[in-house]
Amino acid sequence: AQSVSQHNHHVILSEAASLELGCNYSYGGTVNLFWYVQYPGQHLQLLLKYFSGDPLVKGIKGFEAEFIKSKFSFNLRKPSVQWSDTAEYFCAVPYNKFYFGSGTKLNVKP
Amino acid sequence: EAGVTQFPSHSVIEKGQTVTLRCDPISGHDNLYWYRRVMGKEIKFLLHFVKESKQDESGMPNNRFLAERTGGTYSTLKVQPAELEDSGVYFCASSRTGSDTQYFGPGTRLTVL
Repeated sequence: AQSVSQHNHHVILSEAASLELGCNYSYGGTVNLFWYVQYPGQHLQLLLKYFSGDPLVKGIKGFEAEFIKSKFSFNLRKPSVQWSDTAEYFCAVPYNKFYFGSGTKLNVKP
Repeated sequence: EAGVTQFPSHSVIEKGQTVTLRCDPISGHDNLYWYRRVMGKEIKFLLHFVKESKQDESGMPNNRFLAERTGGTYSTLKVQPAELEDSGVYFCASSRTGSDTQYFGPGTRLTVL
């Protein structure tokens, strides 16, 4: 089985602040890694994904994530957040089915 | 290309009643998944269809839950009889054969009173 941990449950930032959301997974083999985002009132959308190759993955809206195999981590980053980034962010690992973290609610103050 | 759609968006029922949720996947996606998120907790897998066959139903909580995908197109998830702990948001997702990327619907928020 697989487990996914997101340690930050609720993050509050001011606009232009930098963001890093933690994600750790348990499976030690080859993994694909995903970040999904759910904006208020909308459905889950794919933010970015890692399959192989360059461990630094760039996604939509200026987000990026770094896969560090030795740390079993796939942290999400954005250098400068905007009010429109207010949403809930989910880390997910497919292992026959998706295993999700518990989600991180990001609240960006204008 | 239309996305994954779910109906209804909200459902409020009383304990003991029956509710049926519907999911229409993206056309051409053989894989269809159901997930559930109970308030404040992680999104948890319920089951996976490949076309009309149940590939994995290990996440189904109990036999009050019945999922079908007749003809390999849309799927229904019936809860009968509903209990208070069934409240949550039920997500459906679909993917192409051979792809790990799942596309999610907007979810159905179920409230059991």
